[in-house]
Amino acid sequence: QTVVTQEPSFSVSPGGTVTLTCGLTSGSLSRGNYPSWFQQTPGQPPRSLIHTTDMRCTGVPDRFSGSILGNKAALTIAGAQADDESDYYCLIYLGMGVAVFGGGTKLTVL
Amino acid sequence: QVQMQESGPGLVRPLETLSLTCIVSDGSMSVPDYYWTWIRQSPGKGLEYIGKIHSSGSRYYSPSLKSRVSISMDRSRRQFYLTVSSVTAADTGFYYCARSDYKLDNWFHSWGQGILVTVSS
Repeated sequence: QTVVTQEPSFSVSPGGTVTLTCGLTSGSLSRGNYPSWFQQTPGQPPRSLIHTTDMRCTGVPDRFSGSILGNKAALTIAGAQADDESDYYCLIYLGMGVAVFGGGTKLTVL
Repeated sequence: QVQMQESGPGLVRPLETLSLTCIVSDGSMSVPDYYWTWIRQSPGKGLEYIGKIHSSGSRYYSPSLKSRVSISMDRSRRQFYLTVSSVTAADTGFYYCARSDYKLDNWFHSWGQGILVTVSS
């Protein structure tokens, strides 16, 4: 069974840039997996950030960007701010209507 | 902007059936432009994709839940539904409904606030 992998945790300094990644335990991830990214703070529903690899969702600042880096999907946050401290999840489509979330990355801004 | 709200019992007994409703604020269930999706999250854990339904009736379920899950919809009532049968403590968590784009179904336009369901005797 293919598992979607993310870094469990990451830290970034205020104003800094961080890149979170999302990969597959079996095979390479590509644009054809339609990666999307979500931000979640405690007690809140997820917030959609990026869809279809690199398309920002409505209202998302351009500090957030999506891409493919090698065989992984990537979420880059530039100019990190205190309220970027959240959990970040990727969602990957594996075909036949099957979609799987990564385990999430807990981002600390300090 | 469409509003979505989950409703249902907060407590379900083990081995019984969990039934949730998502109420959609506008008439978008009557157009073919969207998927209607359920996602859940165990306390302190990550997100889990449950499945989705389209107004055409097509449905997709997570392979790990497929044998116990059913998603349906009632366009006239602006509601869609989730049932999970034979629940165990592992089914405890927040359940979210969401609307995604039909052509780019990884694009989630709107999410409900979520409802906490506890499985316990």
